[in-house]
Amino acid sequence: AQSVTQLDSQVPVFEEAPVELRCNYSSSVSVYLFWYVQYPNQGLQLLLKYLSGSTLVKGINGFEAEFNKSQTSFHLRKPSVHISDTAEYFCAVLNYGGSQGNLIFGKGTKLSVKP
Amino acid sequence: DTAVSQTPKYLVTQMGNDKSIKCEQNLGHDTMYWYKQDSKKFLKIMFSYNNKELIINETVPNRFSPKSPDKAHLNLHINSLELGDSAVYFCASSPLTGVNEKLFFGSGTQLSVL
Repeated sequence: AQSVTQLDSQVPVFEEAPVELRCNYSSSVSVYLFWYVQYPNQGLQLLLKYLSGSTLVKGINGFEAEFNKSQTSFHLRKPSVHISDTAEYFCAVLNYGGSQGNLIFGKGTKLSVKP
Repeated sequence: DTAVSQTPKYLVTQMGNDKSIKCEQNLGHDTMYWYKQDSKKFLKIMFSYNNKELIINETVPNRFSPKSPDKAHLNLHINSLELGDSAVYFCASSPLTGVNEKLFFGSGTQLSVL
């Protein structure tokens, strides 16, 4: 069975600082990986995804993530955050051959950007 | 225009009551979902419908019954509500179910059972 671990439940940072939100997964088969963002009082939105190819994936709003198969990680990074990046970020994994309804989500990391 | 809309946004009710949450998407998508996000923020799939047909039904009590009158609507009816049903329920949709798709989520319904 797959699982997703987001080690940090909360990450406070100052504006313009870099940030890394960690995500590790476990699966006995190959996977696809996703990051979703949930702004306050809104539903989740897709930030970026890794399906195949280059292990460095760029998403919206200046975020990027790197797939590391040996470490089973898919950490999300941004070199300089803005107040508007304050949100909850969810990592998700999907087995090869699975459909969108089989996505397994992590517990989320709350990013708080302070001025 | 809201792509995936769910009503109500907040629902407070007593144990034992029956309640419904409505979901509509105006994106023309074929697939709709219901997710439950518990107090620990775990987001888990409950149901998935493709063109009005049930394709995923996770281990959910049969007190929960989804109804899809047409492919733009997927309503969730809950009978005999229990304290443990308190959670945020998210509706979502996608054009198809493949990995190249993405989920479009509604803004959630916070259900509080007293």
